[in-house]
Amino acid sequence: DGGITQSPKYLFRKEGQNVTLSCEQNLNHDAMYWYRQDPGQGLRLIYYSQIVNDFQKGDIAEGYSVSREKKESFPLTVTSAQKNPTAFYLCASRIGAQPQHFGDGTRLSIL
Amino acid sequence: AQTVTQSQPEMSVQEAETVTLSCTYDTSESDYYLFWYKQPPSRQMILVIRQEAYKQQNATENRFSVNFQKAAKSFSLKISDSQLGDAAMYFCAYRSASSNNNDMRFGAGTRLTVKP
Repeated sequence: DGGITQSPKYLFRKEGQNVTLSCEQNLNHDAMYWYRQDPGQGLRLIYYSQIVNDFQKGDIAEGYSVSREKKESFPLTVTSAQKNPTAFYLCASRIGAQPQHFGDGTRLSIL
Repeated sequence: AQTVTQSQPEMSVQEAETVTLSCTYDTSESDYYLFWYKQPPSRQMILVIRQEAYKQQNATENRFSVNFQKAAKSFSLKISDSQLGDAAMYFCAYRSASSNNNDMRFGAGTRLTVKP
């Protein structure tokens, strides 16, 4: 079955540590997105990519980095510069005018 | 930048009754898409319904329908014959149809409780 796979489901970060969240899709979608969701709030865009080797900052890109070396993969690194990383992270993908498909998310917590 | 507003943080409905969730948005564009997503406790984001701005007819999907008022920039979701499984967070979302503006804007969400 086609879909979006996010891993791990739960992740813990120590102070000063960088961590990477994985997002893989086998839907052959061109565009991929990373969102952050805080408790009781909507989704805020971190980064998005419309094509391989190209990506743009969203509203809250500071403290995060991404890469898009393959169409299927769009990993998100939460760097030590992100001072409040505890949140639920959602990856999504889209093709053409279709709605976004979402992964099941990764919950990141600080140790 | 486009903004999406959901003015009802929480709503409650009796099982089998009808409930309407409100959403307004701000944009200067004429061509765009609107969506309602459902997020149950599992945190999955599930597409409920979509509306293309150029279509005058309101979208429907089984028990879910929308009231799209383009001039008023309003996009409400009506859930008929509410079921216990409808309990979730509901997010309204906007996306430009322009290829140069690719991101989706979400409202803050409405938490729907369904009472048996």
